Amino acid sequence: SQQGEEDPQALSIQEGENATMNCSYKTSINNLQWYRQNSGRGLVHLILIRSNEREKHSGRLRVTLDTSKKSSSLLITASRAADTASYFCARYSQGGSEKLVFGKGTKLTVNP
Amino acid sequence: KAGVTQTPRYLIKTRGQQVTLSCSPISGHRSVSWYQQTPGQGLQFLFEYFSETQRNKGNFPGRFSGRQFSNSRSEMNVSTLELGDSALYLCASSLQGRKSYEQYFGPGTRLTVT
Repeated sequence: SQQGEEDPQALSIQEGENATMNCSYKTSINNLQWYRQNSGRGLVHLILIRSNEREKHSGRLRVTLDTSKKSSSLLITASRAADTASYFCARYSQGGSEKLVFGKGTKLTVNP
Repeated sequence: KAGVTQTPRYLIKTRGQQVTLSCSPISGHRSVSWYQQTPGQGLQFLFEYFSETQRNKGNFPGRFSGRQFSNSRSEMNVSTLELGDSALYLCASSLQGRKSYEQYFGPGTRLTVT
């Protein structure tokens, strides 16, 4: 079962606007990762943020992490039509397993 | 560096048949993981291989199996295909498969079972 949940499930904005997606999880983490998936294709790794980090930037992407609230957010600034995709947060499961556990994703549509 | 490659990209099979999917990881990556993605269940972990050994396994029936070769390339096999096996199968590679490392995904193999 999915143990990370993204919010909202779907988001539609105009080009140039900012898009914010949230992710909540239930257990402690070493790090949290964000991925993008264009329709029906492979996942592209965007950012990994470690549990001792609060904020990380990569180009137009900004990720924050609040371990006390067990939540993370992904902000895409000045969005473009090419940003249209599904965005997933993922964390490693607890214990010895190194499997990534994904949320259901946020489907972002950027209208030109 | 070349990314993760998966072959074939698309596959159509009939119920009861078996299928083998292939994954070549990024050069130098020793860990390969497989995931199944369906609209209903989302992304689910199948198994992970490291140095030719299956190190982790998800909650899938024994019809799903895999292996890893000495050059880190991996294959997964699904026997006695069912309609519900129709999905996008994604392979991911990681430097060592430890929790501190990113996983890099291939483009996936779209399997349709009729």
